[in-house]
Amino acid sequence: QKEVEQDPGPLSVPEGAIVSLNCTYSNSAFQYFMWYRQYSRKGPELLMYTYSSGNKEDGRFTAQVDKSSKYISLFIRDSQPSDSATYLCAMSYTGGFKTIFGAGTRLFVKA
Amino acid sequence: DGGITQSPKYLFRKEGQNVTLSCEQNLNHDAMYWYRQDPGQGLRLIYYSQIVNDFQKGDIAEGYSVSREKKESFPLTVTSAQKNPTAFYLCASSPDGDGEQFFGPGTRLTVL
Repeated sequence: QKEVEQDPGPLSVPEGAIVSLNCTYSNSAFQYFMWYRQYSRKGPELLMYTYSSGNKEDGRFTAQVDKSSKYISLFIRDSQPSDSATYLCAMSYTGGFKTIFGAGTRLFVKA
Repeated sequence: DGGITQSPKYLFRKEGQNVTLSCEQNLNHDAMYWYRQDPGQGLRLIYYSQIVNDFQKGDIAEGYSVSREKKESFPLTVTSAQKNPTAFYLCASSPDGDGEQFFGPGTRLTVL
């Protein structure tokens, strides 16, 4: 079993839809949870960074962490064609010095 | 303008040659990382360094070597021992090795 599981998609939605992206994990030691956006042939860009449980909102993006269920989510409101990219979840813990990445979900937002 | 730079953007290599990929950061971060990304796959850790003059093997270190002589620089050498080196290589840095990492634009290596 992988430490982090992420559905690779692809996920195709119409413009303006609410998008939900998810990851599950098995290591209860994880404390830091990140979401990255990666456009084709580019480096990943950090979108959201959350410590421990709870919600964090930044513009159209909301990150949720449920440590009891070992489940994290990224919601994108009013999705735009420019949101079309691969979204990677990632997680780590203090002293771990390594970050574990999900395989990424490819998202297509159709105009 | 702070960030991470990688060069070159594209690199072509003949079989049997060693090549070195450059990674520089001016974010004053202690930790630096090298990842390999293959089509449709996630990021696989090659090497990481928590501090100058120290580095550790990641999950797929065979056929690669690194050095960390300066805080801002973490070059990766892909040796001829690496059986399948064609891939997209990403360098990242982190303030303290925990939490978020910041990535460079990547180098696409193709072996001819």
